[in-house]
Amino acid sequence: EDQVTQSPEALRLQEGESSSLNCSYTVSGLRGLFWYRQDPGKGPEFLFTLYSAGEEKEKERLKATLTKKESFLHITAPKPEDSATYLCAVQAGSNTGKLIFGQGTTLQVKP
Amino acid sequence: ETGVTQTPRHLVMGMTNKKSLKCEQHLGHNAMYWYKQSAKKPLELMFVYSLEERVENNSVPSRFSPECPNSSHLFLHLHTLQPEDSALYLCASSQATGGNGYTFGSGTRLTVV
Repeated sequence: EDQVTQSPEALRLQEGESSSLNCSYTVSGLRGLFWYRQDPGKGPEFLFTLYSAGEEKEKERLKATLTKKESFLHITAPKPEDSATYLCAVQAGSNTGKLIFGQGTTLQVKP
Repeated sequence: ETGVTQTPRHLVMGMTNKKSLKCEQHLGHNAMYWYKQSAKKPLELMFVYSLEERVENNSVPSRFSPECPNSSHLFLHLHTLQPEDSALYLCASSQATGGNGYTFGSGTRLTVV
């Protein structure tokens, strides 16, 4: 069964304190791994897509990496505005476009 | 207007009511999705429409009835809901293969009383 597990469930950081979020997955035929950011009361906002092991993508203070078993979202010198829930999702070998989501990591960055 | 728009943003309904959620996308996508988001749980896929055809129904109770009249519009018709159906209902769209990920709407916060 395709599955996505994110850790930790919640993370509190001081401003400037770098850290990483983990997304472990088991899926038959990975077509893509996606990271989203979700603010309270809003829908998820797309951040990155990774397609193959070894791939990396960066956007401002965020960097996403991918191995055959997991993905990391590295946050460098975070700011309070980075506080949000970060969702990881995988697309398996089917062609319906269906994404399977993890439960998310809620990040709080204190000034 | 661009992106994915959902209405209403908030809805309170009794267990005997009938209501509908609406989703509209102006991105030229040809696949649309309904997801349910409950507290502390992953997003749960409910329905997938690709090229206006329902291609997946993820064991959703019949009190939820989707409708996709064209590639830009998606509805979720609700009737005789239960309190445990209270959640954030998210609509998303993508190209049919989904390879570039989804664009989500802001969701409808549903409360069943």
